[in-house]
Amino acid sequence: GAVVSQHPSRVICKSGTSVKIECRSLDFQATTMFWYRQFPKQSLMLMATSNEGSKATYEQGVEKDKFLINHASLTLSTLTVTSAHPEDSSFYICSASLSGTEAFFGQGTRLTVV
Amino acid sequence: AQSVSQHNHHVILSEAASLELGCNYSYGGTVNLFWYVQYPGQHLQLLLKYFSGDPLVKGIKGFEAEFIKSKFSFNLRKPSVQWSDTAEYFCAVNARGNKLVFGAGTILRVKS
Repeated sequence: GAVVSQHPSRVICKSGTSVKIECRSLDFQATTMFWYRQFPKQSLMLMATSNEGSKATYEQGVEKDKFLINHASLTLSTLTVTSAHPEDSSFYICSASLSGTEAFFGQGTRLTVV
Repeated sequence: AQSVSQHNHHVILSEAASLELGCNYSYGGTVNLFWYVQYPGQHLQLLLKYFSGDPLVKGIKGFEAEFIKSKFSFNLRKPSVQWSDTAEYFCAVNARGNKLVFGAGTILRVKS
C-alpha cells in the first residue's frame, strides 16, 4: 500500500513555543490530507482537511489560528501547533487520501507540552 | 451529522474463540465503510473496506465484515482469533467527500 510518513514521532516542547509536524506521502500524490487528534482511550477526532494549494477546512471547535495547516505540495502537509499549552498534549495523526477513497495513515506524533 | 458507534470498548477473548465487533453508523446516504486496526506501537492499517457490491467483504488476516444496509451496520468478524490479533480496531465511515469519521475504537486482547 501507499506510504505516509509523519515526522517527528515524538516531541516535547515548552509551554508557549510552537511545534511543526510534517506529513509526507512518499510514493503517491495526495490531493487531500487530513489531520486527526487522538486523546487517550478515545477515537480519532478529525481536526481539519487540507487540500493542496488552498486553505484548510477546519472542523467545528478547532481553532485555525492555533493549529496552522499548510499543504504546499501534493506530497507534503504541515501542522503547526502555535503557542502550545499542556492541554495541547496529544497524539496527532495525519492521513493522505489516494483517489478520494482509501486513506493511508502516518505513524502519528506524540506531542507533550511541559 | 455522521456518527459511528462501536458497541464494545474492551473485548477479551481466548485464542481460537470467534470474534464479532459491532459497528453502526448514522447517515442516510451512500457510504463507504472501513475497518482499521492499530497494533501496539504501529500505524493505523486498513483491514478491509466496503464501497459497493457484495455486502460480505473479506479483508486481510482472515477478517471479514458484513454490510447490512437496513441496520446501518458493518460488523467485523473473525472465526478464530490469534494472540497476534491483539490490537485496537476502529470502524470508520466516509460519506461526504473524503472525510472519515471514526468510531471510538475497540481494544481486543487475545489471551494465549
